[in-house]
Amino acid sequence: DAMVIQNPRYQVTQFGKPVTLSCSQTLNHNVMYWYQQKSSQAPKLLFHYYDKDFNNEADTPDNFQSRRPNTSFCFLDIRSPGLGDAAMYLCATSRDGTVEAFFGQGTRLTVV
Amino acid sequence: AQTVTQSQPEMSVQEAETVTLSCTYDTSENNYYLFWYKQPPSRQMILVIRQEAYKQQNATENRFSVNFQKAAKSFSLKISDSQLGDTAMYFCAPEKLVFGKGTKLTVNP
Repeated sequence: DAMVIQNPRYQVTQFGKPVTLSCSQTLNHNVMYWYQQKSSQAPKLLFHYYDKDFNNEADTPDNFQSRRPNTSFCFLDIRSPGLGDAAMYLCATSRDGTVEAFFGQGTRLTVV
Repeated sequence: AQTVTQSQPEMSVQEAETVTLSCTYDTSENNYYLFWYKQPPSRQMILVIRQEAYKQQNATENRFSVNFQKAAKSFSLKISDSQLGDTAMYFCAPEKLVFGKGTKLTVNP
């Protein structure tokens, strides 16, 4: 059974048109992460939530925002996607941030 | 800032042989976890093995084992009896899920 679910699997958006990616979890984990992964590169941490506490990485562009309305769901909002934002976006959860994470299958974002 | 170094961008191994992937890191923490993750071509990241830094004994999971040298901040992954399904990107992640650049492992028949 899928424990971290990302929707959609594939998303095509227009240059400059806001887009939202979603992640849900059935694990009741406290921590949820968003990563950006470009082709042949390591995942780059954008931000994470510990419960309701939002933690932004210093080099995450302002164009990227996140919401976590409850324990189960977390959203990644890209306010004005550029061509450089085309990537795989990975969501992950962890019980408390010190133990292993569980990943979703990712959403591949294409910007046209 | 935490640094993670995986010095082998690509490796290949013959099926049934053994291969070791290296990882070094820097941290100011004393107690922490270290992880190796695998990302097959299907792209879902999965945990391979976990090591707790306060444990001296190296972690083992079936064909996967680590060589953890805390003082040297080294955390290598050994895959024994390599299988075709081991073909994947392998990422080292010492605490807080900051990943190394990865090693692309290809297992050849």
